[in-house]
Amino acid sequence: GENVEQHPSTLSVQEGDSAVIKCTYSDSASNYFPWYKQELGKGPQLIIDIRSNVGEKKDQRIAVTLNKTAKHFSLHITETQPEDSAVYFCAARTYGSSNTGKLIFGQGTTLQVKP
Amino acid sequence: DVKVTQSSRYLVKRTGEKVFLECVQDMDHENMFWYRQDPGLGLRLIYFSYDVKMKEKGDIPEGYSVSREKKERFSLILESASTNQTSMYLCASRLPFGRNEKLFFGSGTQLSVL
Repeated sequence: GENVEQHPSTLSVQEGDSAVIKCTYSDSASNYFPWYKQELGKGPQLIIDIRSNVGEKKDQRIAVTLNKTAKHFSLHITETQPEDSAVYFCAARTYGSSNTGKLIFGQGTTLQVKP
Repeated sequence: DVKVTQSSRYLVKRTGEKVFLECVQDMDHENMFWYRQDPGLGLRLIYFSYDVKMKEKGDIPEGYSVSREKKERFSLILESASTNQTSMYLCASRLPFGRNEKLFFGSGTQLSVL
């Protein structure tokens, strides 16, 4: 089955710096890769996603890149702000026996942005 | 926006008790999921349901069961709670596979089994 590895587990940056979180996946059939942000006391929320027919996607200060050959994808946050502090999860979609498509999540990265 | 509500934010139970975790969504989503979240392990799928009365095992179903009698409600059942089931439990819902991939999560239930 699919396996998703995420690094680093913790990341601390100064406000205004960039942050990069990397994930690798094992199933070459996976074709959808979302990123979720979990703030303290809340459930994860989708912040950006990418499909396998696209190499890069941007939304304001966040971007995701995908390398299908190497089976890895990354989240890039530029000009970080204290409100970016949260736990970030990457995920890859794999297919269950009913072909319903389920997400396999990475281990999570705790990002701390210091003012 | 979609609201996914989990019945309890914190729950403390004894070993051997039968535990029910309830989840309700208000956007008529067909698919619903139960994950558990543990530090260093990320989110792991326990069970999911793609329609009323339908269920499918996730990656870690042992010790759990589920019930989906109505479209808006998805219950996770710990038949006989054990200390290794102490965890944060997250419920999620989404539209049918292929229509929209976005998962909507509840705020979670922190379960402690003593």
